[in-house]
Amino acid sequence: AQSVAQPEDQVNVAEGNPLTVKCTYSVSGNPYLFWYVQYPNRGLQFLLKYITGDNLVKGSYGFEAEFNKSQTSFHLKKPSALVSDSALYFCAVRDPNAGKSTFGDGTTLTVKP
Amino acid sequence: DVKVTQSSRYLVKRTGEKVFLECVQDMDHENMFWYRQDPGLGLRLIYFSYDVKMKEKGDIPEGYSVSREKKERFSLILESASTNQTSMYLCASSLFGVTGELFFGEGSRLTVL
Repeated sequence: AQSVAQPEDQVNVAEGNPLTVKCTYSVSGNPYLFWYVQYPNRGLQFLLKYITGDNLVKGSYGFEAEFNKSQTSFHLKKPSALVSDSALYFCAVRDPNAGKSTFGDGTTLTVKP
Repeated sequence: DVKVTQSSRYLVKRTGEKVFLECVQDMDHENMFWYRQDPGLGLRLIYFSYDVKMKEKGDIPEGYSVSREKKERFSLILESASTNQTSMYLCASSLFGVTGELFFGEGSRLTVL
């Protein structure tokens, strides 16, 4: 069975500093990995995905993520955080055979001015 | 832009009532999903559907059923609501296949008294 772990419930950074939100996964076969963001009282919005190819993936709002097969990780990063980046972030892995997505428990990112 | 519309943002129901949650997408997506979101538990898949009139159980289908009579509409049904079904319910859709990202509705917050 596939699984996703987000080891940090909460990440706090100062505005202008780099940020990292961690994600590790377990899946049989090739992993299809995704990051989503959720603002209060809203649905989830897609940020970026890794399907194949370059290990560094760039997405919306200046976010990027690095796929590391040996460490089974897919950490979300941004070089310079904004207060408006404060939200709940979810990592997800999609089963290549069944198509259903499994989500991590989420990490709350708080960016302070 | 893809739009996934959930008919009700907030509902309050009584124990034992039958509850319908409706979801409509306007991008001709084949795949549709229902998740529930609870604090600290991330998103858990209830049911999903790859095509009209077909459905597959997710990870927590007990107490729920679904209906997909038309491609654009996927309904979640609680036959007899219970207090432990108080939650945020999220509908999502995606293109056919396993590499596409999910597009989410705004969510339906259900309270069962």
